[in-house]
Amino acid sequence: DIVMTQSPDTLSLSPGERATLSCRASQSVRSNFLAWYQQKPGQAPKFLIYGASTRATGIPDRFSGSGSGTDFTLTISSLEPEDFAVYYCQQYGSSPLTFGGGTKVEIK
Amino acid sequence: EVQLVQSGAEVKKSGEPLKISCKASGYSFTTYWIGWVRQMPGKGLEWMGIINPVDSDTRYSPSFQGQVTISADKSISTAYLQWSSLKASDTAMYYCTRQWNHDIWGQGTMVTVSS
Repeated sequence: DIVMTQSPDTLSLSPGERATLSCRASQSVRSNFLAWYQQKPGQAPKFLIYGASTRATGIPDRFSGSGSGTDFTLTISSLEPEDFAVYYCQQYGSSPLTFGGGTKVEIK
Repeated sequence: EVQLVQSGAEVKKSGEPLKISCKASGYSFTTYWIGWVRQMPGKGLEWMGIINPVDSDTRYSPSFQGQVTISADKSISTAYLQWSSLKASDTAMYYCTRQWNHDIWGQGTMVTVSS
């Protein structure tokens, strides 16, 4: 199984700051089939990014994904109040699909 | 509107069977695989498995193989997740999702199992 490791566990930032979230895979992710999701308390996760760098429909351009192979990054260029949440990466190139443990972006 | 609507919360006892559902609407059900994801209280997301509604081809995570059964009824655009005998450790929120990259999520079904 591919193990996905996210860092840091928690990111404490202020609105307007830039957030950089890391996701590392234990082996290369086939075809960069890497997705990012946002989850707020009491809600289902929300699809943000697929194919490592393509924003899902309706996702603001302050969210961007990058990376390939084993190292991936989600960047939020300028945090809005509604962006404080937990973010998960997931590889969907190999079965079993695997999620990272999540990064919580909290208000400083 | 494309959506997945899941059945309501369940409270069960250990050893009881359970089947929860996920009804798709707003798109052709047979065009996309349907997956299931578990989230235990206060924890992260775990992929359980996925089914192709066209032919019921199903893939399971090794962690869930033999513990649950995923099925689908294309005549009513509905996928299912079932247990033959629940355990307290099955207490969690269960989400159905569309496709391998989970582009659409159901609202979740909370399953609480008491011992």
